[in-house]
Formats: sequence, C-alpha cells, structure tokens
Amino acid sequence: EAAVTQSPRNKVTVTGGNVTLSCRQTNSHNYMYWYRQDTGHGLRLIHYSYGAGNLQIGDVPDGYKATRTTQEDFFLLLELASPSQTSLYFCASRGTGRYAEQFFGPGTRLTVL
Amino acid sequence: SQLAEENPWALSVHEGESVTVNCSYKTSITALQWYRQKSGEGPAQLILIRSNEREKRNGRLRATLDTSSQSSSLSITATRCEDTAVYFCATEGYAQGLTFGLGTRVSVFP
Repeated sequence: EAAVTQSPRNKVTVTGGNVTLSCRQTNSHNYMYWYRQDTGHGLRLIHYSYGAGNLQIGDVPDGYKATRTTQEDFFLLLELASPSQTSLYFCASRGTGRYAEQFFGPGTRLTVL
Repeated sequence: SQLAEENPWALSVHEGESVTVNCSYKTSITALQWYRQKSGEGPAQLILIRSNEREKRNGRLRATLDTSSQSSSLSITATRCEDTAVYFCATEGYAQGLTFGLGTRVSVFP
C-alpha cells in the first residue's frame, strides 16, 4: 500500500505568518501534488511536481510556493499567510503509468487568524 | 463552474440497501475516476474506468461510463455503515492532476 504522510496535521497561524506544510511519500513516485479542499469548491490543485527540483503551477497557485527537495519530499510554503488560506490541505503522489492511481495523505488543517 | 459534478448532494440509506451516485463531466477524458473520502481522511480511489469501457466492477462497487452523454454512475450494493463517506468523481487534467466534483455525501444507517 502506497504511503503518503503529512505534517503537521493541524496548524494555527496569524495573518502575515510564515507556514511550511510538509509531505513525504515512500513509493518512489515521480509525481507529487498539493491540493486544498474547501466547502463549496471541492479539491483544487495548487502546485505539482514531476520530480526533484521540478515545480509546476496548478489551478489556484496565488499566495503559495512549493519546493521539491527530493523524490520523497514536497513542501508547500505560505510566506504571508492570509485568512483566505484557511483550508484543509492534501498532498498526493502518483506513479508514471497512464492510469496510475493517486494516493493521498491524511491532510493538514490550517487556520489563519 | 465545475468540470465534474456529482448528484445528488446527499443520500441516506439503511444498511443492506443499494445506492447510486451520478456524475456529469464537461471535458474529454481518457478515464474517469471515483474516489471516496471518509471523515478525517484523504480521498482514496475506488474505481478507474477508461474511456473505452462501459462498465467496471470492484466487489460491491459498479461504475458505468457513457462518453456520448458525458456521464458516469457509481453504484454500491449491500451497503454497510462503513460506506458512509463523501463520493467524488474526478477527471484527469494536465500532468495527471485531478479535477474533482464537489461530492455526494452518502450516509448509511443501521
């Protein structure tokens, strides 16, 4: 079973704060993704990566940076957090096969006061 | 607007009954995926049905796909309380990032 872990599981910060969300996958997957989940919007893709050092923007990238330091580790950075970024964040990984499954982590709940 | 949309918004059934969630999508696809998200967890894939397939089964789950009407359905037979979750259909976009609908909340009662 593919494994994706996220930390922290819960985070509270203040407006203007600096936050880093971490994701690790141990499946040797090339693709990794960051999504946010909000009521009324569902899951939306923020950033994704093909491999270490590669970064691509998704559908809702504004206010977010990402960094893929290794094949295993993918980070989401909020350098000036705003209340609109209060959300549930999911990381996922995927292999390279055409119909490969995406495996999601357990999520990080972020609250920006 | 959403590229994929499930309906209805919510369903309630008793254990042992069957339930069907419908999905309509607005883009050409190579495959459509069904995911389930239980409370406090990330989504987990249930079934992937390719565009050249009309039906796919996985245990108590059955998915159908009609590319001419751009619609899909997911049926669960002999439901159990642990089937209580939000069910999503998802289409695959660029770089295989997924586009999800808003989901259907299915509640199964004893």
